[in-house]
Amino acid sequence: SQTIHQWPATLVQPVGSPLSLECTVEGTSNPNLYWYRQAAGRGLQLLFYSVGIGQISSEVPQNLSASRPQDRQFILSSKKLLLSDSGFYLCAFQRGVSYNEQFFGPGTRLTVL
Amino acid sequence: KNQVEQSPQSLIILEGKNCTLQCNYTVSPFSNLRWYKQDTGRGPVSLTIMTFSENTKSNGRYTATLDADTKQSSLHITASQLSDSASYICVVSPGFQKLVFGTGTRLLVSP
Repeated sequence: SQTIHQWPATLVQPVGSPLSLECTVEGTSNPNLYWYRQAAGRGLQLLFYSVGIGQISSEVPQNLSASRPQDRQFILSSKKLLLSDSGFYLCAFQRGVSYNEQFFGPGTRLTVL
Repeated sequence: KNQVEQSPQSLIILEGKNCTLQCNYTVSPFSNLRWYKQDTGRGPVSLTIMTFSENTKSNGRYTATLDADTKQSSLHITASQLSDSASYICVVSPGFQKLVFGTGTRLLVSP
């Protein structure tokens, strides 16, 4: 069966520190991968998506970057966190065409102090 | 601008009662519309996916409707249970691997 993992589950970081969030998918190959951020009281905002290894599309200019070093691994990074980076980060995967369901990971709650 | 608006923002109902959540969208082109359930602090879980040609789809006690002409959708929950307490998110896809998310309706089912 297909599963998606994210870690860590929660993270508290000081302003200016680096960030690395990891997402891995099991049970499928060549998935489309997505990073979303959900701020309190707001809808999910697409940050990055990837259709293959090394292929990253950025949806919004920001302090974050993404990488896909392996087919089923997606990493969200920052060199220096800002207070505004706080939020709930969700990774998702989808197989193939746009009709297919997107499966979401359990999320990472990031608090920047 | 592609947008998805949901109403009401929040809703409290008694256990066993029915409720209907609304979704209006201005997304073009249109590929499909989805309803997700999101428990607090968890990732969203898909309830239904509907394409242009489908006007109703059920998943247990959840029934979604779609009117592509008026660009409206609804999610009807029958015989609510305490476990239905969650946020319900309407999501519209214009294709191209993209999704446009509504801000959700927060439902509380009270005993």
